[in-house]
Amino acid sequence: AQSVSQHNHHVILSEAASLELGCNYSYGGTVNLFWYVQYPGQHLQLLLKYFSGDPLVKGIKGFEAEFIKSKFSFNLRKPSVQWSDTAEYFCAGVGSASKIIFGSGTRLSIRP
Amino acid sequence: KAGVTQTPRYLIKTRGQQVTLSCSPISGHRSVSWYQQTPGQGLQFLFEYFSETQRNKGNFPGRFSGRQFSNSRSEMNVSTLELGDSALYLCASSLSGERGQMYGYTFGSGTRLTVV
Repeated sequence: AQSVSQHNHHVILSEAASLELGCNYSYGGTVNLFWYVQYPGQHLQLLLKYFSGDPLVKGIKGFEAEFIKSKFSFNLRKPSVQWSDTAEYFCAGVGSASKIIFGSGTRLSIRP
Repeated sequence: KAGVTQTPRYLIKTRGQQVTLSCSPISGHRSVSWYQQTPGQGLQFLFEYFSETQRNKGNFPGRFSGRQFSNSRSEMNVSTLELGDSALYLCASSLSGERGQMYGYTFGSGTRLTVV
């Protein structure tokens, strides 16, 4: 990926609602895509990654993402969010020469 | 196995000073990358080291430099500090291959630098 875009800057949901966070990347050869989460005051943690194979990737904490090549998308989903999912979420891709490129992040707020 | 260790966790420096941050990668990881995280700019790539060589560089001024030692530990140095250098500096280690393939990418907790 040469660039990664996240169009949702701040998403507010109620507990138990379904989540979908958008991520689009520009094509740059081999596609390596990631989703990271940063809980308040904590470091970045890997949620899931896609290198090849099944385009539906399962990650930790009930998250999944689907790689759709025709749409250049790698959206993050969770069927039912919890208050503890409040965090900032970053989509990332491997750019030229192994450089990781991050999207601008999406802040997720969950109302109890 | 131990994660990525960054020291110190917090640092306060005065404008004009210089600072050195340290990163110890996961054992066996040969690639170390550095990022600057700020509320306004998000995560900005600084540079990547692989086997003691800088393999990649972001768009930061020459005041930002780094190096990697034979045990893969890396240091980042910022000289002539400016107020705008206040940020969270993150280090990430990776099982990267010779051709730049990325297998996993683990971040440290970061060093919070405040320039006053």
